[in-house]
Amino acid sequence: AQRVTQPEKLLSVFKGAPVELKCNYSYSGSPELFWYVQYSRQRLQLLLRHISRESIKGFTADLNKGETSFHLKKPFAQEEDSAMYYCALTSSGGSYIPTFGRGTSLIVHP
Amino acid sequence: GAGVSQSPRYKVAKRGQDVALRCDPISGHVSLFWYQQALGQGPEFLTYFQNEAQLDKSGLPSDRFFAERPEGSVSTLKIQRTQQEDSAVYLCASSRNTGELFFGEGSRLTVL
Repeated sequence: AQRVTQPEKLLSVFKGAPVELKCNYSYSGSPELFWYVQYSRQRLQLLLRHISRESIKGFTADLNKGETSFHLKKPFAQEEDSAMYYCALTSSGGSYIPTFGRGTSLIVHP
Repeated sequence: GAGVSQSPRYKVAKRGQDVALRCDPISGHVSLFWYQQALGQGPEFLTYFQNEAQLDKSGLPSDRFFAERPEGSVSTLKIQRTQQEDSAVYLCASSRNTGELFFGEGSRLTVL
């Protein structure tokens, strides 16, 4: 079975501070990890995925298979980063059904 | 083109009523997913279609829940004899099988 754990329900920081949203997963096969974001009154949308190795809106995430983690990081948070962030996992082969974590609410104060 | 469209956006039902939630995916997306999101929780998988075939319905919580996608495009999630525990946001997402899901805005169901 695949599982995604986001230990923090809420993360509150000040503008300009570093941010790390934690995500741990359990999966016996080869995983593919994603971060989705939901801004206020908007739909859930993809932020980034580990295979693309991109930085999106200043966010990065590295897949650490040894620690089974895929933490989302940004060195300097902005107010517009305030949103709900969901980590998601699928298998990289065969039928895939994304499994989501419970989400972390990020609040960036001015 | 337009994104994933869901209707109704809000539905209030009396306990015991039947409800139908509609999802119109992005044109050309073969995969369609339904998720249930309770307050303060992440999306929980309900069922998955590839074209018109329902390949996985393991997440449907009871036999009161039924989903279909008869022509491989629009999908309907039906909940019979609604209960209070069915109150949630029902999310539909479609995909080109690239891994990325495109979500609708959701249908918020409140069962009184």
